[in-house]
Amino acid sequence: DAGVIQSPRHEVTEMGQEVTLRCKPISGHDYLFWYRQTMMRGLELLIYFNNNVPIDDSGMPEDRFSAKMPNASFSTLKIQPSEPRDSAVYFCASSRPSTGRDEQYFGPGTRLTVT
Amino acid sequence: AQSVTQLGSHVSVSEGALVLLRCNYSSSVPPYLFWYVQYPNQGLQLLLKYTSAATLVKGINGFEAEFKKSETSFHLTKPSAHMSDAAEYFCAVSPSGSQGNLIFGKGTKLSVKP
Repeated sequence: DAGVIQSPRHEVTEMGQEVTLRCKPISGHDYLFWYRQTMMRGLELLIYFNNNVPIDDSGMPEDRFSAKMPNASFSTLKIQPSEPRDSAVYFCASSRPSTGRDEQYFGPGTRLTVT
Repeated sequence: AQSVTQLGSHVSVSEGALVLLRCNYSSSVPPYLFWYVQYPNQGLQLLLKYTSAATLVKGINGFEAEFKKSETSFHLTKPSAHMSDAAEYFCAVSPSGSQGNLIFGKGTKLSVKP
C-alpha cells in the first residue's frame, strides 16, 4: 500500500495568500483526520471525517480554515487568507476502525511557511 | 473527558541504557492505548497498541508497554537504547474505544547519548 499521501511536502507563501493542502487516504479507510503540529502547541486535531462527512471541526482555529472531503480518496485543507501564525506542519491521517483497528496512519506532512 | 499525560517533555539516556517513557491516562471506560514515534521531518508511526487482549504489549524496534489499570498507566520501555531510537514519542488514547479520533499526549523527546 502507498500509505497516506500528502501534497505538497513544502509550501512557502506570503501572508494573505490562499493555501490548499491535499491528502489521499489509504484505500478502504473511512476516517480521515487533519492535524497541525507546532513547537508551541504540539499536535492539534483540526477536523476529522467519517465516510466523507465532517464529524468534529471544533479544532479548526477560525473561519479562515476550511476542509472538504468530496470523495473517499481525497481531502483538502484550505487556509484563506493565510497568516504567519499558520506556519506549522500539517498532517493528514486515516484509519479504518470499522474493522476494530483504531490506529491512525499518518502521512509525511506538509511544512507550511507563511512569510 | 479522556486525557493523556506524558511525564517529561525531554528524556536523555545513554546508548545501551534502559528507556522508560511515562504515560498516564484518564478514562471512564476501558481504553484503547497507543504509542507512536516521530522521527525528524517525518509523520507519526505506530509503535504498539493496547486493546485489552494482553496487558504487556510488544511493538516494533524492541519496544514494549505494560497496561496497569490500577495505576492508569501505559509506560513505554526498551531494555537497551540505540542511537536510532532518538525521536519524539507520543502516547494516545481512543475516547470511544473502537472508532473515532485519538487524544494525543504532548510528546516526549528522547535523546540517546553515545
